[in-house]
Amino acid sequence: EAGVTQFPSHSVIEKGQTVTLRCDPISGHDNLYWYRRVMGKEIKFLLHFVKESKQDESGMPNNRFLAERTGGTYSTLKVQPAELEDSGVYFCASSQGLGGAGKTQYFGPGTRLLVL
Amino acid sequence: KNQVEQSPQSLIILEGKNCTLQCNYTVSPFSNLRWYKQDTGRGPVSLTIMTFSENTKSNGRYTATLDADTKQSSLHITASQLSDSASYICVAAFGGYNKLIFGAGTRLAVHP
Repeated sequence: EAGVTQFPSHSVIEKGQTVTLRCDPISGHDNLYWYRRVMGKEIKFLLHFVKESKQDESGMPNNRFLAERTGGTYSTLKVQPAELEDSGVYFCASSQGLGGAGKTQYFGPGTRLLVL
Repeated sequence: KNQVEQSPQSLIILEGKNCTLQCNYTVSPFSNLRWYKQDTGRGPVSLTIMTFSENTKSNGRYTATLDADTKQSSLHITASQLSDSASYICVAAFGGYNKLIFGAGTRLAVHP
């Protein structure tokens, strides 16, 4: 069974540009999460989808970030316009079942974003 | 404030030796405590998940303990191998949807 995949693995863009990150969860997983680790800091929650609905987006930094999960399958995270402080590693994770309580979250390899 | 603190920040041990990593957490309402292993350049991989009623859980050479009263957890690695070199992240989950709060991790290096 394929794990969580993310694309691209790396992205280098200039300040003010737009970048779109993609996450394909494990097939059949209703829960999809986005996380971010900025340099030297711990991983932090961004948002949680249950199927196609946003369950919790309290971790989204500001309105330059837009996440979508059309059809409840893959998800995209768009940053527009990108700022220097957006640099970091963006992780996606998925888990089975509704609610996510107590369920193992399987992480993708991450997308390393560098904003110059 | 919900937070997770880990110690030590880094650790070097010789192959074959044991080690114990520490975690203190403050989250409310507490749901469960997780340990993840993260190899360089990869995403975190789950090792254990423990609810407040569980005080120990093993996964091969990894044994996690949980004291819900003192809000402390530890991860014990037995007979370390070179492949154990990684970051070990303590994660506390809270709320009905298990929102995760991550520690900064302990970076473990196992030397031959």
